[in-house]
Amino acid sequence: EVQLVESGGGLVQPGGSLRLSCSASGFTFSNYAIHWVRQAPGKGLEWISFISSTDSIRYYGDSVKGRFSISRDNARNSVFLQMKSLRVEDTAVYYCAREPPVAVSATGFFDSWGQGALVTVSS
Amino acid sequence: DIQMTQSPSSVSASVGDTVTITCRASQGITTWLGWYQQKPGKAPKLLIYGASDLQSGVPSRFSGSGSGTDFTLTISSLQPEDFGTYYCQQANGFPITFGPGTKVDIK
Repeated sequence: EVQLVESGGGLVQPGGSLRLSCSASGFTFSNYAIHWVRQAPGKGLEWISFISSTDSIRYYGDSVKGRFSISRDNARNSVFLQMKSLRVEDTAVYYCAREPPVAVSATGFFDSWGQGALVTVSS
Repeated sequence: DIQMTQSPSSVSASVGDTVTITCRASQGITTWLGWYQQKPGKAPKLLIYGASDLQSGVPSRFSGSGSGTDFTLTISSLQPEDFGTYYCQQANGFPITFGPGTKVDIK
């Protein structure tokens, strides 16, 4: 069974840092790109970051560029999101989601998601 | 950035009805369009990718169409379990963007 499990969420003060982890199982992790998508309370979905399967390409949304950093460890089947200089508006549920490789259908889209990790930025 | 819009923002329909949701991209994205269903407190679920391809395990009452800038998600014979919020997503390039969502209620 394909599983993605986020961890590391919690309450942090504005200006603080937090590191989210996304642990994968049930598939060949090193073949898949991983994205982070967040959802503020009562709001829609916002894509924030991408890392390719081999860690050769990383992208960020404008709202987090320069503050967040994505990385991965294929030996540990994990992706990480280091978040710094956190703002109140970063409060959201953070999802990691996998993107199938080009050789598989649905590439470009998110075919499996984690359950989400809540990050609350508040003083 | 490619902006995505959806209409309507909400719809209430009866079991058995056909529901149509539209999504428009601010520039052409060929068929790089996906649809997701999200229920309260849950992660989104991929329904349609490539504008019209049904994701494995998704009931055939869900269908997608369109190309370029205009897309449609159709739910034929609406079922009670189809309530939730539906989002379109463009995968034509970065940054990836989602539509604002359409909330579907069952009457």
